[in-house]
Amino acid sequence: GDSVTQMEGPVTLSEEAFLTINCTYTATGYPSLFWYVQYPGEGLQLLLKATKADDKGSNKGFEATYRKETTSFHLEKGSVQVSDSAVYFCALHSGAGSYQLTFGKGTKLSVIP
Amino acid sequence: KAGVTQTPRYLIKTRGQQVTLSCSPISGHRSVSWYQQTPGQGLQFLFEYFSETQRNKGNFPGRFSGRQFSNSRSEMNVSTLELGDSALYLCASSLGTQIYGYTFGSGTRLTVV
Repeated sequence: GDSVTQMEGPVTLSEEAFLTINCTYTATGYPSLFWYVQYPGEGLQLLLKATKADDKGSNKGFEATYRKETTSFHLEKGSVQVSDSAVYFCALHSGAGSYQLTFGKGTKLSVIP
Repeated sequence: KAGVTQTPRYLIKTRGQQVTLSCSPISGHRSVSWYQQTPGQGLQFLFEYFSETQRNKGNFPGRFSGRQFSNSRSEMNVSTLELGDSALYLCASSLGTQIYGYTFGSGTRLTVV
Protein backbone atom coordinates (compact mmCIF):
# COMPACT_ATOMS: atom_id res chain seq x y z
CA GLY A 1 0.00 0.00 0.00
CA ASP A 2 0.87 3.67 -0.09
CA SER A 3 3.25 5.03 2.51
CA VAL A 4 5.20 8.19 3.30
CA THR A 5 8.39 8.33 5.32
CA GLN A 6 9.71 11.62 6.59
CA MET A 7 12.57 12.45 8.87
CA GLU A 8 11.74 12.28 12.55
CA GLY A 9 11.99 15.42 14.56
CA PRO A 10 12.20 17.53 16.40
CA VAL A 11 14.41 19.79 14.35
CA THR A 12 15.80 22.91 15.99
CA LEU A 13 17.39 25.61 13.86
CA SER A 14 18.63 29.12 14.41
CA GLU A 15 16.90 31.93 12.56
CA GLU A 16 18.17 32.35 8.96
CA ALA A 17 19.48 28.76 8.83
CA PHE A 18 18.83 26.47 5.86
CA LEU A 19 16.07 23.93 6.27
CA THR A 20 15.71 20.50 4.69
CA ILE A 21 13.05 17.98 5.71
CA ASN A 22 13.38 14.69 3.89
CA CYS A 23 10.36 12.85 2.53
CA THR A 24 10.23 9.63 0.52
CA TYR A 25 7.19 7.74 -0.62
CA THR A 26 5.89 4.43 -1.89
CA ALA A 27 2.82 4.50 -4.09
CA THR A 28 1.11 2.80 -6.98
CA GLY A 29 0.54 4.78 -10.12
CA TYR A 30 1.41 8.45 -10.34
CA PRO A 31 0.70 10.17 -7.04
CA SER A 32 0.32 13.84 -6.31
CA LEU A 33 2.55 15.05 -3.49
CA PHE A 34 1.88 17.65 -0.82
CA TRP A 35 3.43 19.41 2.11
CA TYR A 36 1.08 20.55 4.85
CA VAL A 37 1.93 22.67 7.90
CA GLN A 38 0.22 22.62 11.27
CA TYR A 39 0.60 25.46 13.75
CA PRO A 40 -0.20 24.84 17.43
CA GLY A 41 -3.91 24.39 18.07
CA GLU A 42 -4.83 24.56 14.40
CA GLY A 43 -5.69 22.29 11.51
CA LEU A 44 -3.49 21.58 8.51
CA GLN A 45 -2.67 24.22 5.93
CA LEU A 46 -1.57 23.30 2.43
CA LEU A 47 1.95 24.64 1.98
CA LEU A 48 2.76 23.43 -1.52
CA LYS A 49 2.02 20.66 -3.98
CA ALA A 50 3.30 18.92 -7.10
CA THR A 51 1.20 16.74 -9.32
CA LYS A 52 3.74 15.16 -11.68
CA ALA A 53 7.38 14.18 -11.90
CA ASP A 54 9.91 17.06 -11.97
CA ASP A 55 7.28 19.59 -10.87
CA LYS A 56 8.50 22.06 -8.28
CA GLY A 57 6.03 23.31 -5.72
CA SER A 58 6.81 26.57 -3.97
CA ASN A 59 5.19 28.91 -1.47
CA LYS A 60 6.35 31.42 1.17
CA GLY A 61 10.01 30.64 0.42
CA PHE A 62 9.53 26.88 0.76
CA GLU A 63 10.25 24.59 -2.18
CA ALA A 64 9.99 20.89 -2.97
CA THR A 65 10.67 19.01 -6.20
CA TYR A 66 8.86 15.82 -7.19
CA ARG A 67 11.64 13.29 -7.92
CA LYS A 68 10.19 10.12 -9.40
CA GLU A 69 13.56 8.41 -9.79
CA THR A 70 14.30 8.68 -6.07
CA THR A 71 10.62 8.71 -4.97
CA SER A 72 11.30 11.82 -2.92
CA PHE A 73 9.74 15.21 -2.22
CA HIS A 74 12.13 16.96 0.16
CA LEU A 75 11.09 20.30 1.65
CA GLU A 76 13.63 23.13 1.64
CA LYS A 77 13.83 26.75 2.70
CA GLY A 78 16.85 28.94 2.38
CA SER A 79 16.39 31.07 5.49
CA VAL A 80 13.94 30.07 8.22
CA GLN A 81 12.18 32.49 10.54
CA VAL A 82 10.82 32.06 14.04
CA SER A 83 7.33 32.17 12.53
CA ASP A 84 8.11 28.96 10.59
CA SER A 85 8.04 26.98 13.83
CA ALA A 86 5.35 24.33 13.28
CA VAL A 87 4.84 20.67 12.42
CA TYR A 88 5.33 19.77 8.76
CA PHE A 89 3.62 16.81 7.09
CA CYS A 90 4.47 15.23 3.79
CA ALA A 91 1.52 13.54 2.10
CA LEU A 92 0.55 11.79 -1.10
CA HIS A 93 -2.62 11.14 -3.02
CA SER A 94 -2.21 8.13 -5.26
CA GLY A 95 -4.74 9.18 -7.86
CA ALA A 96 -8.08 8.21 -9.23
CA GLY A 97 -9.95 5.73 -7.10
CA SER A 98 -8.00 6.57 -3.95
CA TYR A 99 -9.88 9.54 -2.47
CA GLN A 100 -7.55 9.84 0.50
CA LEU A 101 -4.30 11.41 1.60
CA THR A 102 -1.57 9.27 3.12
CA PHE A 103 0.57 11.24 5.57
CA GLY A 104 4.02 10.94 7.03
CA LYS A 105 4.41 11.11 10.80
CA GLY A 106 5.25 14.80 10.78
CA THR A 107 8.40 16.75 11.62
CA LYS A 108 8.32 19.36 14.35
CA LEU A 109 10.45 22.39 13.53
CA SER A 110 11.50 24.91 16.15
CA VAL A 111 13.32 28.04 15.05
CA ILE A 112 15.14 30.01 17.75
CA PRO A 113 16.14 33.68 17.46
CA LYS B 1 -14.57 32.86 1.02
CA ALA B 2 -15.35 30.97 4.21
CA GLY B 3 -13.08 28.06 5.06
CA VAL B 4 -13.94 24.62 6.34
CA THR B 5 -15.94 24.91 9.56
CA GLN B 6 -15.92 22.19 12.19
CA THR B 7 -18.11 22.16 15.25
CA PRO B 8 -17.70 21.89 18.11
CA ARG B 9 -14.02 22.81 18.64
CA TYR B 10 -13.76 20.91 21.90
CA LEU B 11 -15.73 18.05 23.37
CA ILE B 12 -15.45 15.97 26.52
CA LYS B 13 -17.37 12.70 26.65
CA THR B 14 -17.54 9.70 28.95
CA ARG B 15 -16.64 6.17 27.92
CA GLY B 16 -19.61 4.36 26.41
CA GLN B 17 -21.30 7.51 25.17
CA GLN B 18 -21.66 8.46 21.52
CA VAL B 19 -20.66 11.68 19.80
CA THR B 20 -21.48 13.48 16.56
CA LEU B 21 -19.08 15.91 14.92
CA SER B 22 -20.02 18.31 12.15
CA CYS B 23 -18.16 19.69 9.15
CA SER B 24 -19.25 22.37 6.68
CA PRO B 25 -17.03 22.41 3.59
CA ILE B 26 -16.01 25.34 1.45
CA SER B 27 -18.86 26.47 -0.76
CA GLY B 28 -18.77 24.53 -4.02
CA HIS B 29 -16.67 21.67 -2.64
CA ARG B 30 -18.45 18.35 -2.95
CA SER B 31 -15.86 16.10 -1.34
CA VAL B 32 -15.47 15.84 2.43
CA SER B 33 -12.88 13.64 4.14
CA TRP B 34 -12.33 12.87 7.81
CA TYR B 35 -9.04 12.13 9.55
CA GLN B 36 -8.10 11.18 13.08
CA GLN B 37 -4.91 12.66 14.51
CA THR B 38 -3.24 11.19 17.59
CA PRO B 39 0.32 11.53 18.92
CA GLY B 40 0.95 7.80 18.54
CA GLN B 41 -0.65 7.00 15.20
CA GLY B 42 -0.38 10.35 13.45
CA LEU B 43 -2.95 11.23 10.81
CA GLN B 44 -5.19 8.37 9.78
CA PHE B 45 -7.90 8.43 7.14
CA LEU B 46 -11.42 7.65 8.32
CA PHE B 47 -13.67 8.09 5.26
CA GLU B 48 -14.45 10.26 2.27
CA TYR B 49 -17.79 11.37 0.86
CA PHE B 50 -18.63 12.86 -2.50
CA SER B 51 -22.15 13.94 -3.39
CA GLU B 52 -23.59 11.99 -0.45
CA THR B 53 -21.80 8.76 -1.39
CA GLN B 54 -19.01 7.21 0.61
CA ARG B 55 -16.20 6.53 -1.84
CA ASN B 56 -13.56 5.25 0.51
CA LYS B 57 -13.23 4.08 4.09
CA GLY B 58 -10.17 3.66 6.28
CA ASN B 59 -9.35 0.85 8.63
CA PHE B 60 -11.49 1.80 11.61
CA PRO B 61 -14.08 -0.24 13.50
CA GLY B 62 -17.76 0.02 12.67
CA ARG B 63 -18.27 2.32 15.67
CA PHE B 64 -17.04 5.08 13.39
CA SER B 65 -19.56 6.17 10.80
CA GLY B 66 -20.33 9.19 8.72
CA ARG B 67 -22.70 10.72 6.28
CA GLN B 68 -22.98 13.63 3.90
CA PHE B 69 -26.03 15.73 3.22
CA SER B 70 -27.26 17.20 -0.03
CA ASN B 71 -25.69 20.57 0.85
CA SER B 72 -22.30 18.76 1.20
CA ARG B 73 -22.18 19.21 4.96
CA SER B 74 -20.94 16.10 6.68
CA GLU B 75 -21.21 14.50 10.09
CA MET B 76 -19.25 11.73 11.67
CA ASN B 77 -20.48 9.65 14.56
CA VAL B 78 -18.57 7.56 17.05
CA SER B 79 -20.61 5.20 19.19
CA THR B 80 -19.62 3.45 22.40
CA LEU B 81 -16.66 5.73 22.98
CA GLU B 82 -13.37 4.32 24.24
CA LEU B 83 -10.48 6.15 25.89
CA GLY B 84 -8.42 5.51 22.75
CA ASP B 85 -10.85 7.58 20.68
CA SER B 86 -9.45 10.73 22.26
CA ALA B 87 -7.97 12.62 19.34
CA LEU B 88 -8.15 15.63 17.08
CA TYR B 89 -10.65 14.92 14.32
CA LEU B 90 -9.98 16.85 11.16
CA CYS B 91 -12.28 17.41 8.25
CA ALA B 92 -11.04 18.34 4.79
CA SER B 93 -12.92 19.48 1.74
CA SER B 94 -11.98 19.54 -1.92
CA LEU B 95 -13.45 19.90 -5.35
CA GLY B 96 -13.20 16.14 -5.72
CA THR B 97 -9.86 15.50 -7.38
CA GLN B 98 -6.43 15.33 -5.84
CA ILE B 99 -4.93 17.93 -8.12
CA TYR B 100 -6.40 20.79 -6.15
CA GLY B 101 -5.41 19.51 -2.76
CA TYR B 102 -7.52 19.50 0.32
CA THR B 103 -8.47 22.35 2.66
CA PHE B 104 -8.64 21.38 6.30
CA GLY B 105 -10.72 22.72 9.12
CA SER B 106 -9.33 23.54 12.56
CA GLY B 107 -10.56 20.25 13.93
CA THR B 108 -12.60 19.00 16.86
CA ARG B 109 -10.62 17.98 19.92
CA LEU B 110 -12.41 15.02 21.50
CA THR B 111 -11.45 13.89 24.98
CA VAL B 112 -12.94 10.67 26.34
CA VAL B 113 -12.78 10.27 30.11
